[in-house]
Amino acid sequence: NAGVTQTPKFQVLKTGQSMTLQCAQDMNHNSMYWYRQDPGMGLRLIYYSASEGTTDKGEVPNGYNVSRLNKREFSLRLESAAPSQTSVYFCASSAYRGRNEQYFGPGTRLTVT
Amino acid sequence: GESVGLHLPTLSVQEGDNSIINCAYSNSASDYFIWYKQESGKGPQFIIDIRSNMDKRQGQRVTVLLNKTVKHLSLQIAATQPGDSAVYFCAETLTTSGTYKYIFGTGTRLKVLA
Repeated sequence: NAGVTQTPKFQVLKTGQSMTLQCAQDMNHNSMYWYRQDPGMGLRLIYYSASEGTTDKGEVPNGYNVSRLNKREFSLRLESAAPSQTSVYFCASSAYRGRNEQYFGPGTRLTVT
Repeated sequence: GESVGLHLPTLSVQEGDNSIINCAYSNSASDYFIWYKQESGKGPQFIIDIRSNMDKRQGQRVTVLLNKTVKHLSLQIAATQPGDSAVYFCAETLTTSGTYKYIFGTGTRLKVLA
């Protein structure tokens, strides 16, 4: 099992460009998440999908959109990148949303200039 | 690459010694807690969890203690090894009206000295 995979691993964008971060899990998990990690701060939830066919905003959703393509895949889109979106992005999955562990991908380091 | 805060508190321990990493959580109503380990350039990795109806849970070489009175969580690592060097952070789950909020700490860097 690969667990949670993310692509790309690194990306540099210019302000105003768009891109999509891809995430896939092979654990048959129902719930998937997108987080951002910034220096000096804990992980912050951008969007989540409690189950296939549903998505909801997290703590910091502005400037992002998501798509739960199927049970395995959950993508994060930046429509018009801004320097404030420079961060490390992690996708995670869990069997269900609630009191259970989340499995994280290796992360995407995004720089917006 | 550096993926976590540059100015995290650091705990340095000698190889073979025990490590204790502390976390003050934010909400007295949080009912589920996890410790994660994050190595440089990698995603967080689950270590151990504990529910609020427990005050201690043991795993392989790790023990988590929960003190709800003072909202404190600790992770004890026995016989610390070089491979334990990483950032460790706690996460709490707050359940409100059937919805869940996950709150992650900023972490402590553990350095194992040979």
